Amino acid sequence: DTGVSQDPRHKITKRGQNVTFRCDPISEHNRLYWYRQTLGQGPEFLTYFQNEAQLEKSRLLSDRFSAERPKGSFSTLEIQRTEQGDSAMYLCASSLGRGKQETQYFGPGTRLLVL
Amino acid sequence: SQKIEQNSEALNIQEGKTATLTCNYTNYSPAYLQWYRQDPGRGPVFLLLIRENEKEKRKERLKVTFDTTLKQSLFHITASQPADSATYLCASTNSGGYQKVTFGTGTKLQVIP
Repeated sequence: DTGVSQDPRHKITKRGQNVTFRCDPISEHNRLYWYRQTLGQGPEFLTYFQNEAQLEKSRLLSDRFSAERPKGSFSTLEIQRTEQGDSAMYLCASSLGRGKQETQYFGPGTRLLVL
Repeated sequence: SQKIEQNSEALNIQEGKTATLTCNYTNYSPAYLQWYRQDPGRGPVFLLLIRENEKEKRKERLKVTFDTTLKQSLFHITASQPADSATYLCASTNSGGYQKVTFGTGTKLQVIP
């Protein structure tokens, strides 16, 4: 257990529904990252927060996706009007935020299945 | 475009032998390379980081090399054990102000007792 928690661990939804995932990083960590991982692939970067500011978003993050980190602590990732192609593992990671190269600690992920 | 590639075929080795995994990158020069371990249904766990000006890094039974001429990193596990069976991900990071990580596809290692 790295100390990063994600909820829920599994989500099954029907196409067209909205889903929201939550990530609780390690408490003193300022940086938070979201990744998506499909079967047989490595995680792909989606977005990054420094405290509450969202500083970078990948082109993978279409306008159906939105992420927030309102108080610089936990973060949510919402997917609107889900599509079957959104089925994947959504991983959250956090790091301390004081240096250029820091260990990222990953949560267990939320596995999404869109039917 | 930038690519970081790992052998997607699984690697099977006998317990006690040294496992060697390969990571190649093309069309860019990462400042850092990292290796992670990922078990099924879990998030990646950081193992080692090596900088472009370092040739080799060791941690217990793990060794990583970084060859900027060959554009390649090798990851070695000596005296491998069945508990080392997992998927190992190579990743590169930029030299910017934060750590944007680009992962390879991973290589699945199976250590046979």
